[in-house]
Parts: sequence; structure tokens; C-alpha cells
Amino acid sequence: DGGITQSPKYLFRKEGQNVTLSCEQNLNHDAMYWYRQDPGQGLRLIYYSQIVNDFQKGDIAEGYSVSREKKESFPLTVTSAQKNPTAFYLCASTLTSGFYNEQFFGPGTRLTVL
Amino acid sequence: GENVEQHPSTLSVQEGDSAVIKCTYSDSASNYFPWYKQELGKRPQLIIDIRSNVGEKKDQRIAVTLNKTAKHFSLHITETQPEDSAVYFCAAYNAGNMLTFGGGTRLMVKP
Repeated sequence: DGGITQSPKYLFRKEGQNVTLSCEQNLNHDAMYWYRQDPGQGLRLIYYSQIVNDFQKGDIAEGYSVSREKKESFPLTVTSAQKNPTAFYLCASTLTSGFYNEQFFGPGTRLTVL
Repeated sequence: GENVEQHPSTLSVQEGDSAVIKCTYSDSASNYFPWYKQELGKRPQLIIDIRSNVGEKKDQRIAVTLNKTAKHFSLHITETQPEDSAVYFCAAYNAGNMLTFGGGTRLMVKP
């Protein structure tokens, strides 16, 4: 099913809690991305990483943090500073060599704040 | 940075009719334009793409056109079927492996 896995599929967070979403890929892709999708909306970039131990903020990074300690893994932490975290979170990955590189998406994690 | 606008936001057609979704982009350096289909609760999946050195590409009932001068590209679906109902996203890809997505079009095909 594509080589990118995300877990859990559903996640519930209480107010004030930090939660971590997992993203793993076995495609040997260099770059990994996190997107947030709200109902009826497009995909907004949270963070991205093009190489191990390096990452950059996207358009809506406030209240989120990431790490990239391994090429295969790019976990996203939703901190208590993110005031409205209820959304569908999608992880993606791509090669960086070549000119035209398809982004492959994971199945997503649906986060709900209780 | 890049800005991608997509229209319409919703589109309802009768089965068998054609559907057209249009996107414009702002960065003339963008050189690759994929289209993704997302079914409810699922991941986006690539359905067709076009590179900046090509004006049109077709794959069975789906075609994409690109006008670099005007900085717009379009998705055309012919002979629509109920299983085409989904949300479609256009995107523009520029240097740095960055994709910028349009806001999406919800296509509903009525049987």
C-alpha cells in the first residue's frame, strides 16, 4: 500500500497534551513532508525535511515540532501550543534527485481534540 | 512563494458528461504540475501530471493541458462515472522539491 505508513489512524488528544504522529517510509526517499488538511480545505504544509538531521518550517509550523534522526522516519509532535489541532494529518515523501518527483502520501492520521 | 488557485470549488455533473477543473499558478519557475484525486477519508493519489515542456497529456478519459504563457493548467475528465466522484487537487512544483496545492475541487457525478 505505497511504502509510507502513518500511525495511529485515529488519535484523540485532551487539552494541554502533546501527541506524536508517526510517519515511516521504506521507499528510500530523501525528502519527507507533513501536511494538515481541514474539512473541505486543501493541503497546508507544516514542516518538511530534505535530509537527515535537517528540517524547515512550512506555512503553518506554529504549535508543531518534528525530528529527522533517520531517513525512514519523520515524526510530528502536536504541542499544547497548537490551539486548534483537530484535522487530518498527511505525511508524504519524495526523491530529490531528478527533475520531476512524485510525492507519495501516507494514509493519514485523524486527530481530534476532546 | 508560489500561489496556486483552483476553480471551481465544487462541480456537479451528470454521468457521461465532461468535467473541467482549472488552476492558475504565480511562479513562472514552476515546472511540474501533478493532479491528485482524494476519496473521502483516504490519501491523495496521483492521477496524471504534466511537465513544463509539454502542452497536453492524455490518459484514457483524463487529460491535462498547460499554458505556460498564461500560467494556467486544466484537468479534463470525459465520460464521467460515479466512481470519479472525489476531491481533486492541482499542484505546482518548483525548485527545491516543494509542491504548492490548490484548494481542491469536489466533483460529484450524478448517476
